[in-house]
Amino acid sequence: KQEVTQIPAALSVPEGENLVLNCSFTDSAIYNLQWFRQDPGKGLTSLLLIQSSQREQTSGRLNASLDKSSGRSTLYIAASQPGDSATYLCAVMDSNYQLIWGAGTKLIIKP
Amino acid sequence: GAGVSQSPRYKVAKRGQDVALRCDPISGHVSLFWYQQALGQGPEFLTYFQNEAQLDKSGLPSDRFFAERPEGSVSTLKIQRTQQEDSAVYLCASSPGQFDTEAFFGQGTRLTVV
Repeated sequence: KQEVTQIPAALSVPEGENLVLNCSFTDSAIYNLQWFRQDPGKGLTSLLLIQSSQREQTSGRLNASLDKSSGRSTLYIAASQPGDSATYLCAVMDSNYQLIWGAGTKLIIKP
Repeated sequence: GAGVSQSPRYKVAKRGQDVALRCDPISGHVSLFWYQQALGQGPEFLTYFQNEAQLDKSGLPSDRFFAERPEGSVSTLKIQRTQQEDSAVYLCASSPGQFDTEAFFGQGTRLTVV
């Protein structure tokens, strides 16, 4: 059974720092991996989607990598800003076309 | 509308009451998903529709949960005889294609069963 783990559960860093969020999954048979952002009282916003054949995707200050063989993905945020404060979730699409989610990393960027 | 819309945003139900949660997906999107998110956890898959066909309902936790999408657009998630453990945020998502395309999420309905 696919399981997704995110470490750390919470992270607080000063504004301007670069940071890395980690996501690991137990079954490498995935179609894709997505990183989402969740703000209180709002839905989930898709940040980056990496297909299983890809190794990374970039959007602005965000870079996500995927190492399918080791079951790991990282989300790199450059030059963090207070507006980046949110909960970041990763999800893998498994062989049954279901999204399996991590519990999220709550990120706080201190001004 | 431009995004996925869910209503109501908040619902308080007495234990044993039936509730109906609505999802308006992005127009033209083929796929529609329902998820249940407990506090502090990631969303858990409930069910998947491709147009009006419910292709996967393996995540529905009990036969008290029922979902439909009769015309391939708006979907309703119904929970009968609500229990306290049903308290969660229910998220709806739609995507333009099948399975492996980007999903767009609504704001969710927070259900509290008292």
